[in-house]
Amino acid sequence: GENVEQHPSTLSVQEGDSAVIKCTYSDSASNYFPWYKQELGKRPQLIIDIRSNVGEKKDQRIAVTLNKTAKHFSLHITETQPEDSAVYFCAASYSGNTPLVFGKGTRLSVIA
Amino acid sequence: DADVTQTPRNRITKTGKRIMLECSQTKGHDRMYWYRQDPGLGLRLIYYSFDVKDINKGEISDGYSVSRQAQAKFSLSLESAIPNQTALYFCATRGTGGAETQYFGPGTRLLVL
Repeated sequence: GENVEQHPSTLSVQEGDSAVIKCTYSDSASNYFPWYKQELGKRPQLIIDIRSNVGEKKDQRIAVTLNKTAKHFSLHITETQPEDSAVYFCAASYSGNTPLVFGKGTRLSVIA
Repeated sequence: DADVTQTPRNRITKTGKRIMLECSQTKGHDRMYWYRQDPGLGLRLIYYSFDVKDINKGEISDGYSVSRQAQAKFSLSLESAIPNQTALYFCATRGTGGAETQYFGPGTRLLVL
């Protein structure tokens, strides 16, 4: 089955700097890669996703890149703000036909 | 998302007790999931269901059972709770086709003494 590895487990950045979180997956059939943000005491919420027919996707300060050959994908947050502090999870699945498999999460701290 | 609800939100129970966590959704999704979250271990899948007659084990199903009473309802039971089942439990739903976004419920915090 699918296995998703996520690094780093913790990340601290100064406000205004960029943050990058990386994930690798094992199943070459996976074609859907979402990223979730979980603020303290709250549920995970989707912030961006990418499908395997696209190499990069942006939404304001957030971008995700996908390298299918290497089986890895990354989340990039630019101009970080204190409200970006949260736990971020990557995940992978083969469309909706298999459950999402999540990485173990990255705790991002943005220091003002 | 008020569209996915979980009850109770917090529960304290004793070792050996049977408890049930309930999940309801108004999104009209066929696919429903139960996850467990522990610090440093991420979100691990317990059970999932693609429709009312379909139940599948996830990564960590031992000690748990589920019931899909209707399209909108998916319950998780701990037959005989043990302390290492203390965790945060999330229900989730997911659409199909081009609407694959998965939505989580607010979570149930369970403490087994």
